[in-house]
Amino acid sequence: DTEVTQTPKHLVMGMTNKKSLKCEQHMGHRAMYWYKQKAKKPPELMFVYSYEKLSINESVPSRFSPECPNSSLLNLHLHALQPEDSALYLCASSHSSGGAGADTQYFGPGTRLTVL
Amino acid sequence: AQSVTQLGSHVSVSEGALVLLRCNYSSSVPPYLFWYVQYPNQGLQLLLKYTSAATLVKGINGFEAEFKKSETSFHLTKPSAHMSDAAEYFCAVSEPTGGSYIPTFGRGTSLIVHP
Repeated sequence: DTEVTQTPKHLVMGMTNKKSLKCEQHMGHRAMYWYKQKAKKPPELMFVYSYEKLSINESVPSRFSPECPNSSLLNLHLHALQPEDSALYLCASSHSSGGAGADTQYFGPGTRLTVL
Repeated sequence: AQSVTQLGSHVSVSEGALVLLRCNYSSSVPPYLFWYVQYPNQGLQLLLKYTSAATLVKGINGFEAEFKKSETSFHLTKPSAHMSDAAEYFCAVSEPTGGSYIPTFGRGTSLIVHP
C-alpha cells in the first residue's frame, strides 16, 4: 500500500468556523508533512513531524494547529482562517526525515479549502 | 541554501514530439534531485530521483533525466509526448534543514500537449 489518503476532498468554511483536515498512511513512514499550495505555485512547507514529534514549523500562523496522534495519522486543525488561506492543502509522508536526503515523499491528493 | 531553477513556466509540444523540461540547481555539495508530476486536482507523484548512483536516471511513464555536474543541470526528457503527459512538473532538491532533509521545489513548468 503506497497510498496517502486525505479527508475531506473539499472544504468550505467561514472565518469563524473550526474544522480539521485529516491525513493517513499505512506505509510505516515515520515522517509526515503538511504543505500549502496556491494555484500554479509549488507546494510550501508548513509543518514536519518526525517520529510523531513536531520537528519543523515554518512560521505558520497559530490559526493552523497540527497534531500527530500516532505514526499513521496527521491532522491539521483550522480556526479563524482568512480568505487568503484558501488553497490546496497537501499531506505527504516519507520513510524518515533525518539523514536520508534521497527519501521519496508520497503525497496525498489534497484537500481543497475555500474560506469565505 | 540549495535551490532549483526551472526555465520556462510553460512548455508546449505536439503529441509525439520530444519533451524537454529544464532544471538547474545550485549546490556546494552533491545534491539529491527529484522530478515530481502533478496532474490536475491531484497531489504530487515522483517521476524519478537522482541519488548519485548513476547520472542517467530512468523514471516512470517513459521519462528520464540526466545529471550534469558541469552544467549544474537535471533536465527531464521524454522521446515522444502523449496527451496524458499534460500536467505540472516540479523539480526539487533535497537539502538538510534542522537535521532533516526537506525538498525545495522549483516554481514548476506546465506541460501542454497539442494533438
